[in-house]
Amino acid sequence: QSVLTQPPSASGTPGQRVIISCSGSSSNIGSNPVNWYQQLPGTAPRLLIYTNNQRPSGVPDRFSGSKSGTSASLAISGLQSEDETDYYCAAWDGSLSGVVFGGGTTLTVL
Amino acid sequence: QVQLQESGPGLVKPLETLSLTCTVSGDSISSHYWSWIRQPAGKGLEWIGRMYSSGGTNYNPSLKSRVSMSLDTSKNQFSLKLTSVTAADTAVYFCTKGAGDLWGQGTLVTVSS
Repeated sequence: QSVLTQPPSASGTPGQRVIISCSGSSSNIGSNPVNWYQQLPGTAPRLLIYTNNQRPSGVPDRFSGSKSGTSASLAISGLQSEDETDYYCAAWDGSLSGVVFGGGTTLTVL
Repeated sequence: QVQLQESGPGLVKPLETLSLTCTVSGDSISSHYWSWIRQPAGKGLEWIGRMYSSGGTNYNPSLKSRVSMSLDTSKNQFSLKLTSVTAADTAVYFCTKGAGDLWGQGTLVTVSS
């Protein structure tokens, strides 16, 4: 059972916009920034979004992040087949004094 | 170009100590903080802990009694030790810069006799 809650799966068709949610509490998302990671099969995760809505260099602007209260979202617009993979959210939890992850969302491009 | 590379035994016996090293190239380990994260096969990510260049640490409460981390600035490496391992500790172990700005490729550690 992960501290942050993500839907286990999401799907969309090419060109569509998909949103992946990440729900937490006041001790994590509610009071700390959220990061998002993308993990292609058999590879290490890579940072996709940091501090709620910032993109590292090299990440396409099709990817965007937002946060409101104790929830965060990752939006992927102009969906492409290469986006079909796993996504994780993470945040510092002040009560646990540690980083907590969501369980991950597997995105399928139909 | 900053690169991280994990190294260590791929097989550890139950109740023994898992020891991994992360070698950093292209950046100084004396800057930033460095983390360990693991992922059991087919499962999600679990944060193990982090170490600051000052020597300060934060560990996952569920692992805190068994975890220790250290830095070797002369070799630009940071290390993880996990004691009294069980099969539940079998996972791919990743080292990262910061909270996950950059990741090593990961190394599989299997706990088995």
